[in-house]
Amino acid sequence: NAGVMQNPRHLVRRRGQEARLRCSPMKGHSHVYWYRQLPEEGLKFMVYLQKENIIDESGMPKERFSAEFPKEGPSILRIQQVVRGDSAAYFCASSPPGLGYNEQFFGPGTRLTVL
Amino acid sequence: DAKTTQPPSMDCAEGRAANLPCNHSTISGNEYVYWYRQIHSQGPQYIIHGLKNNETNEMASLIITEDRKSSTLILPHATLRDTAVYYCIVRPGSGNTPLVFGKGTRLSVIA
Repeated sequence: NAGVMQNPRHLVRRRGQEARLRCSPMKGHSHVYWYRQLPEEGLKFMVYLQKENIIDESGMPKERFSAEFPKEGPSILRIQQVVRGDSAAYFCASSPPGLGYNEQFFGPGTRLTVL
Repeated sequence: DAKTTQPPSMDCAEGRAANLPCNHSTISGNEYVYWYRQIHSQGPQYIIHGLKNNETNEMASLIITEDRKSSTLILPHATLRDTAVYYCIVRPGSGNTPLVFGKGTRLSVIA
């Protein structure tokens, strides 16, 4: 069973461009979480999605950031008009369906550098 | 904000037990204590979790005090590959909730 996959692993964008980060959860997992880690800081929750639904986006900046988890395909975190402050590592995690205290499995992250 | 307090850093000799403390004095009755670690720039890795009883798995042991206000993660025989930032997280008890990471403890295992 492959783990959580993220691509690209490294992404370089110039200010004003768009960044698209992809996350494929573990097989059978229907919950996806996105976290951001700024340089030398801890991980911060951004958004929690289930298939086709955003459950909690309380950690997501109100502008330029959006996330989706379509019925088919990976979850996408989209950052429009990137700025230097968006440079960070973005981690995706997934967990299986159902209630309970399911652990979250993390991917290797995408490192975004904005020039 | 994180509901836990951890020392910023600790050292441990290779082969010895590493004991990482965590204070969570405001923990609620249905909240669990989770431990994750992040090895340099990798994605966080789940280690163990518990409610009130001590727990053990192949990676570590978790000791939770009777009043549940603090806990200790024990790595019984630390190796150089255990060098990482260790995060203690108190998680609301309604399942599938996001993790709230604090600053963690940077554990350095020394040869």
